[in-house]
Amino acid sequence: GAGVSQTPSNKVTEKGKYVELRCDPISGHTALYWYRQSLGQGPEFLIYFQGTGAADDSGLPNDRFFAVRPEGSVSTLKIQRTERGDSAVYLCASSLRHLAGGYNEQFFGPGTRLTVL
Amino acid sequence: SQQGEEDPQALSIQEGENATMNCSYKTSINNLQWYRQNSGRGLVHLILIRSNEREKHSGRLRVTLDTSKKSSSLLITASRAADTASYFCATDGPNSGYSTLTFGKGTMLLVSP
Repeated sequence: GAGVSQTPSNKVTEKGKYVELRCDPISGHTALYWYRQSLGQGPEFLIYFQGTGAADDSGLPNDRFFAVRPEGSVSTLKIQRTERGDSAVYLCASSLRHLAGGYNEQFFGPGTRLTVL
Repeated sequence: SQQGEEDPQALSIQEGENATMNCSYKTSINNLQWYRQNSGRGLVHLILIRSNEREKHSGRLRVTLDTSKKSSSLLITASRAADTASYFCATDGPNSGYSTLTFGKGTMLLVSP
C-alpha cells in the first residue's frame, strides 16, 4: 500500500468493553509506533516496535493497554475494560528503520477515533 | 507528557501573509521536526532540523532552531487557504533514549481567502 492504514476509522464502544485497533504499516518499514491524541493536544507516545518486539512500551498508561506485532508487519493495539477517559484518536506510524538519536521520519496513518460511552 | 509548547495556540491570517509559529522544548535533543495535521487525523511530516543546524528551508517553509534557548520557529511564507491546519513540533528527547518523538500541543492556523 501507499501509506499507513488503520482500521476501523471510527470505533464506538461501551465502558468496560474490549477493543482492538489495527495498523498496517508501509511495506518494508521495520519500526512501528502507536500514539494517542486527545482533543486539543498533541500526540502522546504509547509504544514502539522494532520488528516483532516491543522495544519501548513506556508510554502505555496502564496494564489495560497491550499491543502486538507477531509477524513484524501488522500491529494490533488492544484495550481491555475500556474507560471513558480512553476516548481519543489513536495514531499509528511507521518508519523505514529505527535510528536512536538519528533521523527518524515517521509516516502516520489517518488514525482511529475511539469513543467510549 | 508533552515535551514543550507551541505558541500561539491559534493564529488567523489572510492569504498571502506570512505565518510564524514558535515551539519551546525542555530537554536536550538530536533533532526537531515539524508536522502538519488536518482535521485532527493523520500527521504529515514537513521538515526536520538537526541540533547542529540553525536554519533550514523547504519550499515556502523556513525553520530555525536555537538550542541555547531550546526553541524553534516555523515560518510559512505567502500563506494559502490550503495551509489551514494544526502544526506540531516534535523532538526526540532523552526520555526514551532519543528513540521516540514527543509532541507539543500544536498551533491551529487559519488562513482566510
